[in-house]
Amino acid sequence: QSVLTQPPSVSGAPGQRVTISCTGTNSNIGAGYDVHWYQQIPGTAPKLLVYGNNNRPSGVRDRFSGSKSGTSASLTITGLQAEDEADYYCQSYDSSLRGSGVFGGGTRLTVL
Amino acid sequence: QVQLVQSGPEVKKPGTAMRVSCKASGGTFSNIAITWVRQAPGQGLEWMGGIIPSFGTTNYAPKFHGRVTITADASTATAHMEMSSLSSEDTAIYFCARDHCSGGSCYWLDPWGQGTLVVVSS
Repeated sequence: QSVLTQPPSVSGAPGQRVTISCTGTNSNIGAGYDVHWYQQIPGTAPKLLVYGNNNRPSGVRDRFSGSKSGTSASLTITGLQAEDEADYYCQSYDSSLRGSGVFGGGTRLTVL
Repeated sequence: QVQLVQSGPEVKKPGTAMRVSCKASGGTFSNIAITWVRQAPGQGLEWMGGIIPSFGTTNYAPKFHGRVTITADASTATAHMEMSSLSSEDTAIYFCARDHCSGGSCYWLDPWGQGTLVVVSS
């Protein structure tokens, strides 16, 4: 059971918009810790997609955006493309776990 | 630009220990915090712990505290993760990643090493 809760799967047709939620508690996201998002194509290492709730690293398309409110965060992908099919993970920190990092369980995005 | 290259795959017997290495290049090693994350087959990412060489501090997830030791060798710009008392449940890909930290607080992981597969089997 992951500390941060994500839907196991989401799907969308090319060109559509999808949103992946990440729900935490008052000891992690709700405590003010930032949320970061990673994309993992099976068989490869995770790649940073969004950091500090809503910032994109250089090279990440502006089709990817993040937001945070209260004890939850979300990742939105617009203009879905076949290459977006991957697993997505949210990450934060948790004060009840000695301040260690925590991940969501991951969401598999399928592009129909 | 920091790059992380990990040691090769390993097969271990239950009850033994393992050591995975992560060599950093492209930056000043003492300024590079390293965190270890593992991923069991078909499962999600699991935070294990990390080290901030410039502060000389380590932080372990409660689950791994006492069984995992993370060290950093500035002379070789290499971080190491050692885990003892291995069981089949420790079969996983182990990743190192640069943890972006400031003032003792850490934030996001980027970049990541390529991963090291460790299989624990009798």
